[in-house]
Amino acid sequence: EAQVTQNPRYLITVTGKKLTVTCSQNMNHEYMSWYRQDPGLGLRQIYYSMNVEVTDKGDVPEGYKVSRKEKRNFPLILESPSPNQTSLYFCASSFEGADTEAFFGQGTRLTVV
Amino acid sequence: GIQVEQSPPDLILQEGANSTLRCNFSDSVNNLQWFHQNPWGQLINLFYIPSGTKQNGRLSATTVATERYSLLYISSSQTTDSGVYFCAVEETGANNLFFGTGTRLTVIP
Repeated sequence: EAQVTQNPRYLITVTGKKLTVTCSQNMNHEYMSWYRQDPGLGLRQIYYSMNVEVTDKGDVPEGYKVSRKEKRNFPLILESPSPNQTSLYFCASSFEGADTEAFFGQGTRLTVV
Repeated sequence: GIQVEQSPPDLILQEGANSTLRCNFSDSVNNLQWFHQNPWGQLINLFYIPSGTKQNGRLSATTVATERYSLLYISSSQTTDSGVYFCAVEETGANNLFFGTGTRLTVIP
């Protein structure tokens, strides 16, 4: 089954403790991206990747890192999480660029206390 | 950056009713997509529709790119249609999907 898989689905952590949210897709898509969803603000893009070893900032990249060492994986790294990063995070992939149909993971609800 | 506005922000329907959701955008776009976020938070792609009209069961969508708007039609609504509907656009020359703030639909039995 074609899918985008995120882990974990839920995470509660403390301020400053490094964490990684994994994202994997099995559709051989070139383009992957991360979004955060906050009430009243909709979804905002954090980082995106056009292909392996090619990543770029989205609208709200501060406090986040990403890497794209393999085509299927695109982890989101929070080196020193803060409470303002409490949010619902989505990973997405599409065949080739943001102008092709996007498929989303199930979401990761992160709480930083 | 591009502005994406959706209306109405909230909508309550009786089961069986029809509705139209609107998405306006402020600049030329390469594509437009409609998503449904169900009450469990999952985002499902409904339509990839940069222009023209598409239909999928009780749902259909029309995008008029030259006039910078898209419409999502829901006919014979069901309680399972409840959730938030988002439109998202890719501004020409960008590599970023910009989302509207959504329309929250509640269908009551």
